[in-house]
Amino acid sequence: DIVMTQTPLSLSLTPGQPASISCRSSQSLVYSDGKTYLSWFLQKPGQSPQLLIHGVSNRFSGVSDRFSGSGSGTVYTLKISRVEAEDVGLYYCMQHVEAPWTFGQGTKVEIK
Amino acid sequence: EVHLEESGGGLVQPGRSLRLSCRVSGFTFVDYGLTWFRQPPGKGLEWVSLTRSNSYGGETLYAASVQGRFSFLRSDSNTNAYLQMNSLKPEDTAIYFCTRWTQTGTSTRFDSWGQGTLVTVSS
Repeated sequence: DIVMTQTPLSLSLTPGQPASISCRSSQSLVYSDGKTYLSWFLQKPGQSPQLLIHGVSNRFSGVSDRFSGSGSGTVYTLKISRVEAEDVGLYYCMQHVEAPWTFGQGTKVEIK
Repeated sequence: EVHLEESGGGLVQPGRSLRLSCRVSGFTFVDYGLTWFRQPPGKGLEWVSLTRSNSYGGETLYAASVQGRFSFLRSDSNTNAYLQMNSLKPEDTAIYFCTRWTQTGTSTRFDSWGQGTLVTVSS
């Protein structure tokens, strides 16, 4: 199974600060079709997860442009340019290049 | 508007069965894949099963932890999907989410999630 390792596991930020979450995979997430199957989700308190980023760097419809994804091979990053109060929650990366699909442990983002 | 709604969760004894439903609206079910994820209380997300859209072969795969016990079913009307869960174990206790899986030539995304239904396996 592909192991996904997220760091840090928690972030405590003041509004307006930037944030960066790293996700490392135990093997490449590039499929034979040349695409990379890595997504980012945010689970706000008491809610279902919601898609933020798909295909490493594609913001999902309606997602603020404060969010950006990057990376390649086995190292991926989610960045928030300026954290806002509405960004609090758990952030997860997930690989779906091969079954079993696996998630990172989650990064808890809170606002000071 | 795309909408998925899970139901059927509850308290069940170990070894018993439960069937979760995922009712979909706002899209044609057969044109999309569907995935089930779960989240044990206070823990992270886990993948449970995937079903590809007909355009991508329609196969269903399961996590090793549920293989042989869980099965994906689809109603004839294609507005409901089911997760049949047999021989339930305490470690199956979790909130279960169904998710629309959109596969296109340029992207693959899990773009709509249900609100989840809680399954508790305990004697």
